[in-house]
Amino acid sequence: AQSVAQPEDQVNVAEGNPLTVKCTYSVSGNPYLFWYVQYPNRGLQFLLKYITGDNLVKGSYGFEAEFNKSQTSFHLKKPSALVSDSALYFCAVRSRNSGNTPLVFGKGTRLSVIA
Amino acid sequence: DAGVIQSPRHEVTEMGQEVTLRCKPISGHDYLFWYRQTMMRGLELLIYFNNNVPIDDSGMPEDRFSAKMPNASFSTLKIQPSEPRDSAVYFCASTPREALSYNEQFFGPGTRLTVL
Repeated sequence: AQSVAQPEDQVNVAEGNPLTVKCTYSVSGNPYLFWYVQYPNRGLQFLLKYITGDNLVKGSYGFEAEFNKSQTSFHLKKPSALVSDSALYFCAVRSRNSGNTPLVFGKGTRLSVIA
Repeated sequence: DAGVIQSPRHEVTEMGQEVTLRCKPISGHDYLFWYRQTMMRGLELLIYFNNNVPIDDSGMPEDRFSAKMPNASFSTLKIQPSEPRDSAVYFCASTPREALSYNEQFFGPGTRLTVL
């Protein structure tokens, strides 16, 4: 079975400080990993994904994520947070062995960036 | 492309009424997913289709829920009769078939359903 854990319901960070939103996963075999962002009253928007290769993935809006196979983690990071980054963030996973199955999403982490 | 289109954006209805939510996936996308989002349960997959055929409906909560995809450009999610606990935001998403395993899903803006 595939699963994703986002251990923090809420992350607060001051504007200009670095931010990290944590994600760990469990799959059989190797994973494809995704981050999505949801702004208020909007659908989920794709941020970035890890497929293969470089463990550091860069995505939209200055976000990046680091794949760590030994720790089964895929934490989302940004060097300098903006107030406009305040939103709900979802991590998702799909096993490479699972074929055409839907993404499995975590419960989401609410990021609040304080000016 | 306009992206995934959902209608209505907001729906308020009374308990016992029938509710129909609509989705138009991105043109050329072969897979369509229906999700429900609540504060308590987060994002739940209800059902998904491939080439208009339902593949997995194990997430559909009760027989009151049904979904159809009569053609490649249209899907409906119906609740009959509706209950207050069905109040949630319902999302539709689609994804292309090519190299599906690493393709992201594209989400619509959602329908906020309130059942009084």
